[in-house]
Amino acid sequence: GENVEQHPSTLSVQEGDSAVIKCTYSDSASNYFPWYKQELGKGPQLIIDIRSNVGEKKDQRIAVTLNKTAKHFSLHITETQPEDSAVYFCAVLSGGSNYKLTFGKGTLLTVNP
Amino acid sequence: DTGVSQNPRHKITKRGQNVTFRCDPISEHNRLYWYRQTLGQGPEFLTYFQNEAQLEKSRLLSDRFSAERPKGSFSTLEIQRTEQGDSAMYLCASSLQLNTEAFFGQGTRLTVV
Repeated sequence: GENVEQHPSTLSVQEGDSAVIKCTYSDSASNYFPWYKQELGKGPQLIIDIRSNVGEKKDQRIAVTLNKTAKHFSLHITETQPEDSAVYFCAVLSGGSNYKLTFGKGTLLTVNP
Repeated sequence: DTGVSQNPRHKITKRGQNVTFRCDPISEHNRLYWYRQTLGQGPEFLTYFQNEAQLEKSRLLSDRFSAERPKGSFSTLEIQRTEQGDSAMYLCASSLQLNTEAFFGQGTRLTVV
């Protein structure tokens, strides 16, 4: 089955700095790559996604890049704010399924004021 | 609120008891998913419905677990003879058939004592 690895597991930045979280996956047929933000006691919230026919996507302060050849994708958050502090999960929709997401183990992002 | 709704938010039960959780998806979404999340991990796929049909069950879903979506709208997840290892956050998500974005509810946190 699909294997998703996410790094780093924790990330601490100063307010205003950028944060980058990286994920690698194993199934070259995977075609959809969402990122979720999860605050304490809440469900995951979809914040941005990218499909396999696109190399980069940006939405205000967040962006995602995809390298299909290397089978990795990254989340970039610029001008971080304390409210960005949360656990971020990458996920992969495997090529053999159009419904089952495989998640990374998450990155705890702390933005220090 | 037009998001995915889950009830109850928290459930504490004694080992051996049965529990049932409910999920109300976004109204026009015909796909519904159950995931389980343990502390420090990403969500893990349990099962998936397209309308009222349960199309896949993960091997994580033992015989003590059963999920239904009788009218293709809300879904229930029942755990019989609960064990301490069942303690986790149970997440429900929904999506449109032709759209892969999955939106999660706030989850039901189960504690088995």
